[in-house]
Amino acid sequence: QLVLTQSPSASASLGVSVKLTCTLSSGHSSYAIAWHQQQPEKGPRYLMRVYSDGTFNKGDGIPDRFSGSSSGAERYLIISSLQSDDEADYYCQSWGSFGGGTKLTVL
Amino acid sequence: EVQLVESGGGWVQPGESLRLSCAASGFTFSSYWMTWVRQAPGKGLEWVAAIRQDGSEKNYADSVKGRFTVSRDNARNSLYLQMNSLRAEDTAVYYCARESRSGGTCDFDPWGQGTLVIVSS
Repeated sequence: QLVLTQSPSASASLGVSVKLTCTLSSGHSSYAIAWHQQQPEKGPRYLMRVYSDGTFNKGDGIPDRFSGSSSGAERYLIISSLQSDDEADYYCQSWGSFGGGTKLTVL
Repeated sequence: EVQLVESGGGWVQPGESLRLSCAASGFTFSSYWMTWVRQAPGKGLEWVAAIRQDGSEKNYADSVKGRFTVSRDNARNSLYLQMNSLRAEDTAVYYCARESRSGGTCDFDPWGQGTLVIVSS
């Protein structure tokens, strides 16, 4: 069974970079995942797909500050030059499975 | 512009039924799998159901199997979710999303704005 694991929370200061992690369960380390952003009181927005080889494809209109990478069973979302409106919940997803989400606080 | 707009949410009592709709525009609706995802208040995202382009294949989460039915009308560019025997734990915002199935994986992009379903006596 595919399970995606995320840390419940993360924080970083304005203007710096942050790296969020999504870990795929055993036997699924080759899977690609998608990252979605959900700002307060809004619906989710697709950010990108991240492949096992570290390549990523972003959705329409997603700023260059957002990028992805991979290492083994881990998939990463990197946000550089943090802005206040990056404060949101971030979910990873693969097929019908979602991670529990990471609440990002911008200090 | 690709757009998905849900409707049909509301307040119902336990055991009652509700039908959600999702109107699609800006893309060839009949070429895509479509999916429903829900989010209970203060909780994370939970996949609910998906339907193939021609409606010939449908998949459901165990939590709704036998109670919910997903369908589509490609002539009307519309997706539906018939929800029967509703329970308090079905209370959530329901989102429709277009699936992108390629490269051996499946993403949800874009998403609608959601419609709120409240099941309570």
